[in-house]
Amino acid sequence: QKEVEQDPGPLSVPEGAIVSLNCTYSNSAFQYFMWYRQYSRKGPELLMYTYSSGNKEDGRFTAQVDKSSKYISLFIRDSQPSDSATYLCAMTSYNNDMRFGAGTRLTVKP
Amino acid sequence: EAGVTQFPSHSVIEKGQTVTLRCDPISGHDNLYWYRRVMGKEIKFLLHFVKESKQDESGMPNNRFLAERTGGTYSTLKVQPAELEDSGVYFCASSQDRIGTQYFGPGTRLLVL
Repeated sequence: QKEVEQDPGPLSVPEGAIVSLNCTYSNSAFQYFMWYRQYSRKGPELLMYTYSSGNKEDGRFTAQVDKSSKYISLFIRDSQPSDSATYLCAMTSYNNDMRFGAGTRLTVKP
Repeated sequence: EAGVTQFPSHSVIEKGQTVTLRCDPISGHDNLYWYRRVMGKEIKFLLHFVKESKQDESGMPNNRFLAERTGGTYSTLKVQPAELEDSGVYFCASSQDRIGTQYFGPGTRLLVL
């Protein structure tokens, strides 16, 4: 079993839809949870960063962490074609290197 | 402020040859990381420098891979001799603090034929 599981998709939604992306993990030591966005031929770009459980909102993006279920989510409201990219979840603890999910490829159609 | 840069952007080499990848982190970032993504797999950690010291190299696949960060500035990752399974995208990232935000470079796409 992988330490971090993420459905690779692809996921296709119409413009304006709410997108829900999620990851599950097995290592209870993870405390820091990140979502990265990666456009084609580019490096990953940090979108959201949360510590421990809870919600964090930034514009159209909301990240949720449920440590009891070992489940994290990223919601994108009013999705735009420019949101089309691969979304990677990542997580770490102070003593561990970062572990990534496989990435979910999202397409938002106009 | 310049971001993380990597050179070359692409490299195509034959099995058995040597390739050296370079990463220039964001100025002032003591932490430098190397990652690799092989086709169809997730990004995997290779190693972590704090300044010029290797903090964690547990992700390095084997002794054909050698990373250096002389002077604590830029870093190189040498693969010698390259094998077919070394093909993939090699990312470098840097951060100010150990648990700080990691800023990724665009990656070097390596193809070993």
